[in-house]
Amino acid sequence: NAGVTQTPKFRILKIGQSMTLQCTQDMNHNYMYWYRQDPGMGLKLIYYSVGAGITDKGEVPNGYNVSRSTTEDFPLRLELAAPSQTSVYFCASSTSRTAPNEKLFFGSGTQLSVL
Amino acid sequence: DAKTTQPTSMDCAEGRAANLPCNHSTISGNEYVYWYRQIHSQGPQYIIHGLKNNETNEMASLIITEDRKSSTLILPHATLRDTAVYYCIVRVAGGGADGLTFGKGTHLIIQP
Repeated sequence: NAGVTQTPKFRILKIGQSMTLQCTQDMNHNYMYWYRQDPGMGLKLIYYSVGAGITDKGEVPNGYNVSRSTTEDFPLRLELAAPSQTSVYFCASSTSRTAPNEKLFFGSGTQLSVL
Repeated sequence: DAKTTQPTSMDCAEGRAANLPCNHSTISGNEYVYWYRQIHSQGPQYIIHGLKNNETNEMASLIITEDRKSSTLILPHATLRDTAVYYCIVRVAGGGADGLTFGKGTHLIIQP
């Protein structure tokens, strides 16, 4: 069972370049999330989605865009990369919010450097 | 969501029980306590959660005080692979789709 799969694992971008971080899950989860984690810090929510066609901003959405055309996929787009976006990015998914065991399942992360 | 306070770091000898404290004095009656851990360079991993009663699973035990203002995660026989950052999170179950808020957590170091 693959769970949550993120690609690529590592990427170096030049300032102003754009890229898409891919995330796919095979658990049929409705909820998906993008987090970023700066060195020595906790995770900050960028965007989240409650189902196909529905997305919403998290704590730090500026400089990012998302789409959710299918239940499985939740790509994160950086349009004009900036050094401040150097971070590790984690995608996660979870089951229905009506369940008390609101477990998040995380991917292995994408380490992004913007130089 | 209620705020949590955890020590920045802790040490524990391999084979001993690791007890990780968490204070959540402003917790509401419908908020659960969740524990996750993050091993270096990996995504966080769910460990356990609870509301009032103590909970145990194959990974750990969760002890919640009677007034629910604090809790302790117990790893009964710590191994080197348990070295990780442990996050204590308080959250209303089903209280919204905007995920969980991860603070800085406790860096647990298991010493050989």
